[in-house]
Amino acid sequence: AQSVTQLDSQVPVFEEAPVELRCNYSSSVSVYLFWYVQYPNQGLQLLLKYLSGSTLVKGINGFEAEFNKSQTSFHLRKPSVHISDTAEYFCAVSEKGGSEKLVFGKGTKLTVNP
Amino acid sequence: DGGITQSPKYLFRKEGQNVTLSCEQNLNHDAMYWYRQDPGQGLRLIYYSQIVNDFQKGDIAEGYSVSREKKESFPLTVTSAQKNPTAFYLCASSMGAGARGDTQYFGPGTRLTVL
Repeated sequence: AQSVTQLDSQVPVFEEAPVELRCNYSSSVSVYLFWYVQYPNQGLQLLLKYLSGSTLVKGINGFEAEFNKSQTSFHLRKPSVHISDTAEYFCAVSEKGGSEKLVFGKGTKLTVNP
Repeated sequence: DGGITQSPKYLFRKEGQNVTLSCEQNLNHDAMYWYRQDPGQGLRLIYYSQIVNDFQKGDIAEGYSVSREKKESFPLTVTSAQKNPTAFYLCASSMGAGARGDTQYFGPGTRLTVL
C-alpha cells in the first residue's frame, strides 16, 4: 500500500520569497504523483502531476515539482510567492497499473504574509 | 460549463438521522469518488465507482452508502451508523476506464454538521 508524508503542516513565508513544500511517498510499485491546491471552503484543483519522463514538472501559477526516485520525494517549489498563493497544498500518489485511487498526504498550509 | 456540482453547500443534521449528499458531473467521466476531509487529516476515500452500477469501498466506508444508477450522478448517504459525521465532504470524478495517471476533478464540497 502507498503512503504520503508531507513533512510540514504549516509554512509561513513573506511575499516574494521562495518556498518549498516537501512531500515523501512510500510504495512497493511505480507511482504517479500529484500536487493539488485547496483555497478555503473550496474543492481541490490540480497544480501539476508527474507521470513519466522528465523529473522536473511545471504546473499552473508558477509552481514546479521535482520527482526524485532515489529519495522517494516530490517537493513543490515556487521561486516567488504572492499573497494569493495562501492555501492548503496536498501531495497525492496513485499506483501505476492500479485502480487510479489517490492516496493523499495530510496537507501543508501555506500562509504568505505581506 | 463542464464541471462537478455538489449540493447542498451546508447541511445540518440531527443525531440519528440519515442524510444524502448530492454529486453530479457533466464531464462524461466514468469514475467518481467520495472523500471525507477533517482538519489536519487530509482526504480519506469513502467510496469510489469506476462504472455505472458498480462501486467499491474505500478506506472509511463504515456508516456510509452510495449508489451509481446513472453515469453523471453518485449520491452519498451518511447513515446514523456513522459515529462522527461532522466533516467536509468532497466528490470527484475522473475519466477512468484505465486512463493512465488520471486527473481527478473536484466539486466545491458539502460541509455537514451534526447538531
